[in-house]
Amino acid sequence: NAGVTQTPKFQVLKTGQSMTLQCAQDMNHEYMSWYRQDPGMGLRLIHYSVGAGITDQGEVPNGYNVSRSTTEDFPLRLLSAAPSQTSVYFCASSSGSDTQYFGPGTRLTVL
Amino acid sequence: AQSVTQPDIHITVSEGASLELRCNYSYGATPYLFWYVQSPGQGLQLLLKYFSGDTLVQGIKGFEAEFKRSQSSFNLRKPSVHWSDAAEYFCAVEHPGTYKYIFGTGTRLKVLA
Repeated sequence: NAGVTQTPKFQVLKTGQSMTLQCAQDMNHEYMSWYRQDPGMGLRLIHYSVGAGITDQGEVPNGYNVSRSTTEDFPLRLLSAAPSQTSVYFCASSSGSDTQYFGPGTRLTVL
Repeated sequence: AQSVTQPDIHITVSEGASLELRCNYSYGATPYLFWYVQSPGQGLQLLLKYFSGDTLVQGIKGFEAEFKRSQSSFNLRKPSVHWSDAAEYFCAVEHPGTYKYIFGTGTRLKVLA
């Protein structure tokens, strides 16, 4: 099993550009989530999904969109990047309220 | 509001010394409790978790944590720290069944040889 994979590992955007961060898992987990990690602030939940076709907002959803068309994939879309979105993004998956398995992260810089 | 507090931003210990990392939560009911570890440039890995039952929980890498309901705490301990334990440690909570996890701000552990 590859576990949770994320692409790209690094990305630099200009203000106003859009992009999609990819996340995939091969563990047949129904729950997937996106977090951002900023220095001194821990991980903050952006969006999460409890199954294909079902998504909900977390603590910091503004500026981000998600969809979940399959169990395996949970992409995160930045509609119009802003410098405040410079961060490290982590995707995670789990089978219900249990251990979350994290991807290696995507380091995003918005200029 | 629900919150998780890790009061120590940085902790430095000597190799072989004991370790305790503090975690306090603010919740209406007893949440599910987790400790994760993050090595530099890596994702997070679960050390241990508490859902119910025995309040002393054993995890991987020789770590344990004790849930104290009266203090709303879930402190992580290790009797003898190894240099490879240098990392950042995160406490997290989840109100059962909500799938909304709240993480603390983390404690960065430095281990002196």
